[in-house]
Amino acid sequence: NAGVTQTPKFRILKIGQSMTLQCTQDMNHNYMYWYRQDPGMGLKLIYYSVGAGITDKGEVPNGYNVSRSTTEDFPLRLELAAPSQTSVYFCASSYDLAGVGNEQFFGPGTRLTVL
Amino acid sequence: KNEVEQSPQNLTAQEGEFITINCSYSVGISALHWLQQHPGGGIVSLFMLSSGKKKHGRLIATINIQEKHSSLHITASHPRDSAVYICAVRSFEADKLIFGTGTRLQVFP
Repeated sequence: NAGVTQTPKFRILKIGQSMTLQCTQDMNHNYMYWYRQDPGMGLKLIYYSVGAGITDKGEVPNGYNVSRSTTEDFPLRLELAAPSQTSVYFCASSYDLAGVGNEQFFGPGTRLTVL
Repeated sequence: KNEVEQSPQNLTAQEGEFITINCSYSVGISALHWLQQHPGGGIVSLFMLSSGKKKHGRLIATINIQEKHSSLHITASHPRDSAVYICAVRSFEADKLIFGTGTRLQVFP
């Protein structure tokens, strides 16, 4: 199993550009999550999904959109990139609600810089 | 005040030393996680516990639910233990994990 994979690993965007961060898991997990990690801060939840076709906002959803058309894929869309979105983005998945007896598996991260 | 606080923020040690990292939280929880983030950025889950104590090799995690406190211990530390250790809790109210800011550990030979 590849686990959770993310692409790209690195990206530089100009202000106002858009992009999609890809996330795929091959563990047949129901739950998938997008986090951002800023220097000196804990991971913050952007969006999460409890299954195909179902998504919900986390703590910091503004400026992002997600979709979950399949169990495996959970792309994160940035529209009109802003410098405040410079961060490292992690995708994660778990079989059931993470933290309630279920481990969360993380992707390798995408380092995004918006200039 | 953050709902999950870790101490210390930074820690240096000599190889072989016993390490303790602390995590305090202010919400009612159903479980607590310890995660390890390597210098390359990857995050792996070390422990998930809701009571008592767990041990994997040289790592030991304990939790005291009444005191809302958990500790991660590393016995006989090694340079390869150098990483950021993150505490996260699943609160009863929220459908998400709440993360601490991490403890950066450096172990020197």
